[in-house]
Amino acid sequence: AQSVTQPDIHITVSEGASLELRCNYSYGATPYLFWYVQSPGQGLQLLLKYFSGDTLVQGIKGFEAEFKRSQSSFNLRKPSVHWSDAAEYFCAVVPYNNNDMRFGAGTRLTVKP
Amino acid sequence: KAGVTQTPRYLIKTRGQQVTLSCSPISGHRSVSWYQQTPGQGLQFLFEYFSETQRNKGNFPGRFSGRQFSNSRSEMNVSTLELGDSALYLCASSVDINTEAFFGQGTRLTVV
Repeated sequence: AQSVTQPDIHITVSEGASLELRCNYSYGATPYLFWYVQSPGQGLQLLLKYFSGDTLVQGIKGFEAEFKRSQSSFNLRKPSVHWSDAAEYFCAVVPYNNNDMRFGAGTRLTVKP
Repeated sequence: KAGVTQTPRYLIKTRGQQVTLSCSPISGHRSVSWYQQTPGQGLQFLFEYFSETQRNKGNFPGRFSGRQFSNSRSEMNVSTLELGDSALYLCASSVDINTEAFFGQGTRLTVV
């Protein structure tokens, strides 16, 4: 079955520390991959996307993600977290030739001062 | 460039009533998708419209329906509301299939 897994429901990091949020997918073929961020009560903001090409993708707000086909993963990273990064992060996939976007359960990020 | 606009932002309805939510996509975007977000089920795809035609549909009952107008604006309708329909309803627009989707702020529906 097609699925998107974010194994970490909640992560707490100290401000200035590095961050890695995990995402694994299970699809027949490599889908299109996205990371979105959501602040409380708000919509989703696109951080970055992977369609093809270079497997290391740069996004907004200093985020990057690496696509690893062998591991079916698309982990999100940031070298130094800021207090304003506290939010919920969603990994999402879209199959080829389809706009049915499937989301992971989300990872809530708390940033300690 | 204006973003995706959803109206209203908040709604309170009574069980058994029906509700219509509106979404205005980014100019030039012809695909509009709808999602339901709840604490228990997370983000779930409802349906997608492209050029006034429903192109994809998620696994929701027939009480959930939608339409798209010639200017790409979309509405979704929920009839015979149930308490479990309380959720944040998000709309996303994109140029076409497999292009990045931009989300609106959502409509918070509360069914009492």
